[in-house]
Amino acid sequence: KAGVTQTPRYLIKTRGQQVTLSCSPISGHRSVSWYQQTPGQGLQFLFEYFSETQRNKGNFPGRFSGRQFSNSRSEMNVSTLELGDSALYLCASSLSPDGELFFGEGSRLTVL
Amino acid sequence: DQQVKQNSPSLSVQEGRISILNCDYTNSMFDYFLWYKKYPAEGPTFLISISSIKDKNEDGRFTVFLNKSAKHLSLHIVPSQPGDSAVYFCAASGKGNTPLVFGKGTRLSVIA
Repeated sequence: KAGVTQTPRYLIKTRGQQVTLSCSPISGHRSVSWYQQTPGQGLQFLFEYFSETQRNKGNFPGRFSGRQFSNSRSEMNVSTLELGDSALYLCASSLSPDGELFFGEGSRLTVL
Repeated sequence: DQQVKQNSPSLSVQEGRISILNCDYTNSMFDYFLWYKKYPAEGPTFLISISSIKDKNEDGRFTVFLNKSAKHLSLHIVPSQPGDSAVYFCAASGKGNTPLVFGKGTRLSVIA
């Protein structure tokens, strides 16, 4: 059974650009959560989606957005990138919103 | 406001000895606690969990203790092995529609 797949694994952007990250959950998992990991802040919750609906949103500015498709795949977008957005973005899927989270390997974003 | 705190950023332990990782929380609504382990370039993986109705849960070399009155939990690894070297994240969740809240992590180094 394939795990959570995140693409791209690494990317470099410049300030002001926008970026889209993709997450394919484990087959059968309908819940997808996104987290931002930075060295000083640990894992901070971004959003959670279930059946194409956003169920929860973390304390991030409106530049951070996401969506989930009918096949449970999810994307997150960050617009007008800032240096502080450099981080590892982790996606996790679960069978249900209260289920055990299975994480992908993450997308490492560097903003120059 | 950090609801889940891991006050030790790093810990070094000799192989074969006990590793004790600590975690404090402030939200009394949390009723389920988890530990995740993360190796470099990989996503976090679930290690062990404990419900608030218990004060101890054991799985092989790993034991989690929960002290609800002190709002404190700890992860014991006995005996520690070099392969246990990783970053350990404490996480907590409450009832209902609440996402997991993670601590900043503790980097454990087990020295051979």
